Amino acid sequence: GAVVSQHPSWVICKSGTSVKIECRSLDFQATTMFWYRQFPKQSLMLMATSNEGSKATYEQGVEKDKFLINHASLTLSTLTVTSAHPEDSSFYICSARNSNQPQHFGDGTRLSIL
Amino acid sequence: GQSLEQPSEVTAVEGAIVQINCTYQTSGFYGLSWYQQHDGGAPTFLSYNALDGLEETGRFSSFLSRSDSYGYLLLQELQMKDSASYFCAVTQGGKLIFGQGTELSVKP
Repeated sequence: GAVVSQHPSWVICKSGTSVKIECRSLDFQATTMFWYRQFPKQSLMLMATSNEGSKATYEQGVEKDKFLINHASLTLSTLTVTSAHPEDSSFYICSARNSNQPQHFGDGTRLSIL
Repeated sequence: GQSLEQPSEVTAVEGAIVQINCTYQTSGFYGLSWYQQHDGGAPTFLSYNALDGLEETGRFSSFLSRSDSYGYLLLQELQMKDSASYFCAVTQGGKLIFGQGTELSVKP
């Protein structure tokens, strides 16, 4: 149980385009979802926390206009990287949890901006 | 603020036992978790300690001492497939704050 699906797993696009990443909890209701970014050989850095039906809470230094997060239902959250540039290339990972249960992670999305 | 420290890399041979230490400094603390991440993959939950002492799950065990702000992950009977990055993480305010990770290389 506790499966989190993340899509797409890999995307390459041109500089200036916007990219949407989906995170779905398949067999539980995710009251909270988290978005992380990970550069090669580095740790997972929390970008934002989203609660269903509320605005996301962004970590310090993360541009909310650059990384748009929507958590419209208890099973789906989306991260949109707007006007992506090469420096946005990274591994983006979502996680989800129900109430105070442990977080379950998606398989990640590798984003490459050319 | 918060910070977690763990060794950047550890090398061991198959069948051996390895211990990965983690020290933390946080303004609030609700537990220490350990995650495994293979190259290009998602983090996989290994164990969680909210209270002092040892938690055992198969070949993996985790220990916590809240008074020392210290914990460790113990891996026994190492296998080649255990080669991965291991992260400690503290739960703080409902969020997970990750350490920098320890890259474990298991040699034949």
